[in-house]
Amino acid sequence: EDQVTQSPEALRLQEGESSSLNCSYTVSGLRGLFWYRQDPGKGPEFLFTLYSAGEEKEKERLKATLTKKESFLHITAPKPEDSATYLCAVQWEDGGYQKVTFGTGTKLQVIP
Amino acid sequence: KAGVTQTPRYLIKTRGQQVTLSCSPISGHRSVSWYQQTPGQGLQFLFEYFSETQRNKGNFPGRFSGRQFSNSRSEMNVSTLELGDSALYLCASSLGGTWMNTEAFFGQGTRLTVV
Repeated sequence: EDQVTQSPEALRLQEGESSSLNCSYTVSGLRGLFWYRQDPGKGPEFLFTLYSAGEEKEKERLKATLTKKESFLHITAPKPEDSATYLCAVQWEDGGYQKVTFGTGTKLQVIP
Repeated sequence: KAGVTQTPRYLIKTRGQQVTLSCSPISGHRSVSWYQQTPGQGLQFLFEYFSETQRNKGNFPGRFSGRQFSNSRSEMNVSTLELGDSALYLCASSLGGTWMNTEAFFGQGTRLTVV
């Protein structure tokens, strides 16, 4: 069964303490891997799309990387406003249709 | 520019009823996709419409259906509601092209409670 697994489920960091979130996947025929941020009561906010192993993208304190079976979201010197749930999603092709599976997310809390 | 608008924001329905949710995409966006989010299952893809045609579909039963109008606005319908349909329903819009390969913008969702 195609799976997307995010770890850890929850992460508590001190302000300025860098860390990484992981998204591993077992789908075949990857078409893209996406990272989203979701704040309570809101819809997800797009962060990055990665298409191939070795690709990296950066945005402010966030950097996303992709290997053949996993992606990392690195958070450098986080601030309290980075507190949110971070979701990854994998898009793949199955029988001519595009499918997408989301991970269950990592809930990040940054303490001042 | 205006974001993705979903109406209503909150809805309470009785088991067995049907419900229609609405999504107005960002102006110029032709792709609209729908998702169900629950604490247990997380975010799950329902279907995607592009130029009034259902282009992609997730693994939900036929009770879940949708449509898209010529102005790209989309509706999602759930018939014969079950308690397990209680969830946050999100829609997202994007310019189109190959779905999900362009940046998708999500609405704030419709919170459906089935009693």
